[in-house]
Amino acid sequence: GAGVSQSPSNKVTEKGKDVELRCDPISGHTALYWYRQSLGQGLEFLIYFQGNSAPDKSGLPSDRFSAERTGGSVSTLTIQRTQQEDSAVYLCASSLVGVSPDTQYFGPGTRLTVL
Amino acid sequence: QKEVEQNSGPLSVPEGAIASLNCTYSDRGSQSFFWYRQYSGKSPELIMFIYSNGDKEDGRFTAQLNKASQYVSLLIRDSQPSDSATYLCAVNPPDYKLSFGAGTTVTVRA
Repeated sequence: GAGVSQSPSNKVTEKGKDVELRCDPISGHTALYWYRQSLGQGLEFLIYFQGNSAPDKSGLPSDRFSAERTGGSVSTLTIQRTQQEDSAVYLCASSLVGVSPDTQYFGPGTRLTVL
Repeated sequence: QKEVEQNSGPLSVPEGAIASLNCTYSDRGSQSFFWYRQYSGKSPELIMFIYSNGDKEDGRFTAQLNKASQYVSLLIRDSQPSDSATYLCAVNPPDYKLSFGAGTTVTVRA
């Protein structure tokens, strides 16, 4: 596609429910990143994929968070048993690793609100 | 110490003036440096990147890099109201993981 796409754009859920956030990277981009941005805050790194593997999951805040990537393309970030502190904008970015510099391009984000 | 630090804002400049944004980083092995602009409620968009010491100009934007001082800056010349946004400095150390600063919010007064 022309750019990184994410769905849904907005998600309102009740505390304790599970949610799935989807990211479609730019076609051909091998690296995919998930970030979280709380209101008025900077970007918090969550996880990085190179192909389908995730060499760095260090940013996932708890074991309620998981992510997968299939076919080297689409990625899903799953949050189980959501809490109010999970409310934030979840941003996905992709890049073409191996090209210098490794420039990340961001999707529009998913705004998650946990009531 | 945070990996990437930006001068705290908000920064208010009159239209037509130069806005100067500063960023320092802690990992001396960092190789690439990026400036992203983020409008309120939108996702970050890349303005420019730099990886060699010195200045790099792109239109009204100039990025400056000094690796010895671990310092990168962004100058916005002839500031316009449409430049009002939060500017994020990002640094790419050898382990690929891009580290972002907290951002500096710029307001250009008409």
